[in-house]
Amino acid sequence: NAGVTQTPKFQVLKTGQSMTLQCAQDMNHEYMSWYRQDPGMGLRLIHYSVGAGITDQGEVPNGYNVSRSTTEDFPLRLLSAAPSQTSVYFCASSYERGTSSMNTEAFFGQGTRLTVV
Amino acid sequence: AQSVTQLGSHVSVSEGALVLLRCNYSSSVPPYLFWYVQYPNQGLQLLLKYTSAATLVKGINDFEAEFKKSETSFHLTKPSAHMSDAAEYFCAVSDTGTYKYIFGTGTRLKVLA
Repeated sequence: NAGVTQTPKFQVLKTGQSMTLQCAQDMNHEYMSWYRQDPGMGLRLIHYSVGAGITDQGEVPNGYNVSRSTTEDFPLRLLSAAPSQTSVYFCASSYERGTSSMNTEAFFGQGTRLTVV
Repeated sequence: AQSVTQLGSHVSVSEGALVLLRCNYSSSVPPYLFWYVQYPNQGLQLLLKYTSAATLVKGINDFEAEFKKSETSFHLTKPSAHMSDAAEYFCAVSDTGTYKYIFGTGTRLKVLA
């Protein structure tokens, strides 16, 4: 059971380049989300999904796209990278399908450290 | 909208001393509450969570937190700090029936020898 797997762990981009951060979970979780972590700002929600085919915007969605074609995968796309997107990105998942409890913690990946120059 | 406030972005304690990390939330109804720990260059790991079953919640590594509705607080404590407790700690809240988690800005704990 690998949990939440993020790739790559590190990435350097030039301004204007695009890339996709990968996230996969093997816990049969319905809910997946992307956060960015910046010093002094905690974790801020970028996009989230409550199931395959369903996505919605979080607190800081501009410059990012997501899709959820399968339950397991939730990639985050940077359309045209900017230095302001230099951050550590975390993917999280929660809520196993078929369980009744709504009180469930989020499980996090190890993060992707992105630098845009 | 839900919000979480963590007082003190940096806290220093001596090894063996009490650890107290503060968290206050804003909600008209008791939400779900969590404490996470993040060690350097790692993801977030759950320490404990409030499930409404008991106001005093025990977590891993001797950490515990007490839910106080009247104070809208969920402070994290540990009786005796270890060097290995040095990390960043995040309080988080999620509304009943949703899967959106709101995080505080974090408290970095330093343990002095």
